[in-house]
Amino acid sequence: EAQVTQNPRYLITVTGKKLTVTCSQNMNHEYMSWYRQDPGLGLRQIYYSMNVEVTDKGDVPEGYKVSRKEKRNFPLILESPSPNQTSLYFCASGKVNQPQHFGDGTRLSIL
Amino acid sequence: GQNIDQPTEMTATEGAIVQINCTYQTSGFNGLFWYQQHAGEAPTFLSYNVLDGLEEKGRFSSFLSRSKGYSYLLLKELQMKDSASYLCAVRVKNTDKLIFGTGTRLQVFP
Repeated sequence: EAQVTQNPRYLITVTGKKLTVTCSQNMNHEYMSWYRQDPGLGLRQIYYSMNVEVTDKGDVPEGYKVSRKEKRNFPLILESPSPNQTSLYFCASGKVNQPQHFGDGTRLSIL
Repeated sequence: GQNIDQPTEMTATEGAIVQINCTYQTSGFNGLFWYQQHAGEAPTFLSYNVLDGLEEKGRFSSFLSRSKGYSYLLLKELQMKDSASYLCAVRVKNTDKLIFGTGTRLQVFP
């Protein structure tokens, strides 16, 4: 089954404790992206990647890192999480210039 | 700058037709997408316009006018399950960024 898989789905953690949210897709898509969704602000792009070893900043990259060592994986890293990064996060993938498929989301709470 | 505007909320009756508008101002344009998102779930793709005109897909149609920076999503024969948020997103040319509007929450009543 074609899918985008994010883990974990839910996480409560504390300020400053490094965390990684994994994202994996099995559709051989070149394009992968991370978004955060906050009430009243909609989906905002954090980082995106056009292919392996190619990553670019979206609109809200501060406080986040990503890597694209393999085509299927695109982890999101929060080196020192802060409460303002509490949000609902979505990973998405797609062929270039084609619609994106979204993962089920990760609800992150940072205390 | 980049800006995408959609109405925040709309209501409609089961069986009716509703049109959700989206206007955009972006530095370059390379396609407009509409997604549906039910509460607590992931967005799912509905339609894609890159050239002017109407794209029809069953009960859903989407229209684009690039010169006016305007699109709409038309939902016909509304069903209760169409109650959801509808997100307009523009792909910015030469950057591959995708800019989303804040979404339109549609409530369908019996």
